[in-house]
Amino acid sequence: EDKVVQSPLSLVVHEGDTVTLNCSYEVTNFRSLLWYKQEKKAPTFLFMLTSSGIEKKSGRLSSILDKKELFSILNITATQTGDSAVYLCAVGGGGSNYKLTFGKGTLLTVNP
Amino acid sequence: NAGVTQTPKFQVLKTGQSMTLQCAQDMNHEYMSWYRQDPGMGLRLIHYSVGAGITDQGEVPNGYNVSRSTTEDFPLRLLSAAPSQTSVYFCASGRGNEAFFGQGTRLTVV
Repeated sequence: EDKVVQSPLSLVVHEGDTVTLNCSYEVTNFRSLLWYKQEKKAPTFLFMLTSSGIEKKSGRLSSILDKKELFSILNITATQTGDSAVYLCAVGGGGSNYKLTFGKGTLLTVNP
Repeated sequence: NAGVTQTPKFQVLKTGQSMTLQCAQDMNHEYMSWYRQDPGMGLRLIHYSVGAGITDQGEVPNGYNVSRSTTEDFPLRLLSAAPSQTSVYFCASGRGNEAFFGQGTRLTVV
């Protein structure tokens, strides 16, 4: 059975702090790992990683995948209150990007 | 620019009632899926489809049916609602890369 574990489950920081969110996985026939941000409603896509060791960046967010150790991290630098959300990690496996297995998410709260 | 549209946004059902959650996408995506999200459980895959006429079960399929007669639509049917099906339901579509999510349907079964 495919499994995705995120840590920590929740995190409270102050504006300006840097945070690292973790995602480890066990899946059959790994295809990709995806990060999503979920505020009040639907998850919104952040990154998709398929190759080990290549960092993806978007502004203050970055992510990297280690396929040997089966984990990924999501870094957020200079956090802002607008970064407060649940961050979801999902893995596409079983020979298909389509069938995503999600972790339970990390609830990030950024206080002013 | 509609993307993935789910209806209704909110629904209250009585135990034993049936209903259909609608999902439509206008991006010509091959892949569509239904997830449910419960507190502390993350998103769990109910059913998915890789094209018209093709559906398969996900992690938690019991109590739900789907069909995919067109590329655009992927309705989720609850045949006999149970309180355990109280949840937020998300439909998603994609084409092998990231999945795009609808805004969700909050379903309460009393």
